[in-house]
Amino acid sequence: EFVLTQSPGALSLSPGEGATLSCRASQSVSSSFLAWYQQKPGQAPRLLIYDASSRATGIPDRFSGSGSGTDFTLTISRLEPEDFAVYYCQHYDNSLYTFGQGTKLEIK
Amino acid sequence: QVQLQESGPGLVKPSGTLSLNCAVSGVSISNTNWWSWVRQPPGKGLEWIGEIYHSGSANYNPSLKSRVTMTVDKSRNQFSLSLSSVTAADTAVYYCVREASWLFNVFDIWGQGTMVTVSS
Repeated sequence: EFVLTQSPGALSLSPGEGATLSCRASQSVSSSFLAWYQQKPGQAPRLLIYDASSRATGIPDRFSGSGSGTDFTLTISRLEPEDFAVYYCQHYDNSLYTFGQGTKLEIK
Repeated sequence: QVQLQESGPGLVKPSGTLSLNCAVSGVSISNTNWWSWVRQPPGKGLEWIGEIYHSGSANYNPSLKSRVTMTVDKSRNQFSLSLSSVTAADTAVYYCVREASWLFNVFDIWGQGTMVTVSS
């Protein structure tokens, strides 16, 4: 069974700091089909990153994605108050979508 | 501007069938898109339920496949989800979503979500 494992489960940081969120796949995957989403309380998720490193329309350049194989990273430089949310990675392969369990980014 | 809107009962009895519709506006459902359902139990993460194409071709999450049916109504520009034999574990917010195949199969447009509770 294919699994995406995100770490840490929760991260406490202050505005202005940088954040590094990890997503590890249980087997090597094509980076083309690795995406990241942001979800705020009471809202639907929003697409941030697709193709592992391409920002979706309207996403600020403080968000960046990287990685290949089994290890992928979402980096947020200079956290803004509106960035505190839950982040999910997602992969697509062979008509099956899989999400990671999420990382909660909290204000310290 | 593409918008999705879920509708359906907010309360379903155990062993019953959960039925939801997703109205699509701003684009024809017959465009070259696949359309998905994603759910999120309270306080938990996201789970993909399945996808459907305007032709009616569908793919389902193997973990739910035996209980899921998705359909498309092109005349109403909407698609639907049916989940049978529900239990409390099916209590969740259900989102309908557009898949953007041109962005390497990601979910670019989400409905606001609808909460469905399974309880007697």
